[in-house]
Amino acid sequence: NAGVTQTPKFQVLKTGQSMTLQCAQDMNHEYMSWYRQDPGMGLRLIHYSVGAGITDQGEVPNGYNVSRSTTEDFPLRLLSAAPSQTSVYFCASSSAGTGFSGNTIYFGEGSWLTVV
Amino acid sequence: DQQVKQNSPSLSVQEGRISILNCDYTNSMFDYFLWYKKYPAEGPTFLISISSIKDKNEDGRFTVFLNKSAKHLSLHIVPSQPGDSAVYFCAAKSNNNAGKSTFGDGTTLTVKP
Repeated sequence: NAGVTQTPKFQVLKTGQSMTLQCAQDMNHEYMSWYRQDPGMGLRLIHYSVGAGITDQGEVPNGYNVSRSTTEDFPLRLLSAAPSQTSVYFCASSSAGTGFSGNTIYFGEGSWLTVV
Repeated sequence: DQQVKQNSPSLSVQEGRISILNCDYTNSMFDYFLWYKKYPAEGPTFLISISSIKDKNEDGRFTVFLNKSAKHLSLHIVPSQPGDSAVYFCAAKSNNNAGKSTFGDGTTLTVKP
């Protein structure tokens, strides 16, 4: 009963390094997204996808890339890490269906990233 | 421009009393609203939702009220329990862009025994 799985859970990067946060879901959900949460702030949308091959920018996309080659996977790439990207990152997925099933977002457990 | 706002960063209530968490939105295109609960070091989990065609939805101790004219919704927890202590996020989405949900900054609820 995996749901949404994110890796790694913790990562320390040096400024300028690149890395990829992995996200996989096993619920056959069409929609996937990445959020970041900074202290005292809410969940801000970085990028999202409504299906394989389709991605779009959210509120804070700068410094991040995404791709969606399969329904299951939605990796988030940090191109050149900066201290301002120190945050907790959450991957999420939801169904494109209507009603309850189409409107509930399932979140991963989070990835704590520190950029020094 | 923050489209979903939770103006109270924190709320403290006594066990057994009512907790009321508020949320305001600015985008009239939003037609579905959700509340999420988040414990430390965990991902948010779905709590309750409401469609814009309704003004109330109830699930056990949790009730969400929607006032479309005021662009305001609230979450009522009755009776509050210490296990309800968590961060509560309000979220909104539009069927025109169903893959995108907008969250508020959250309200930290503390229920004292």
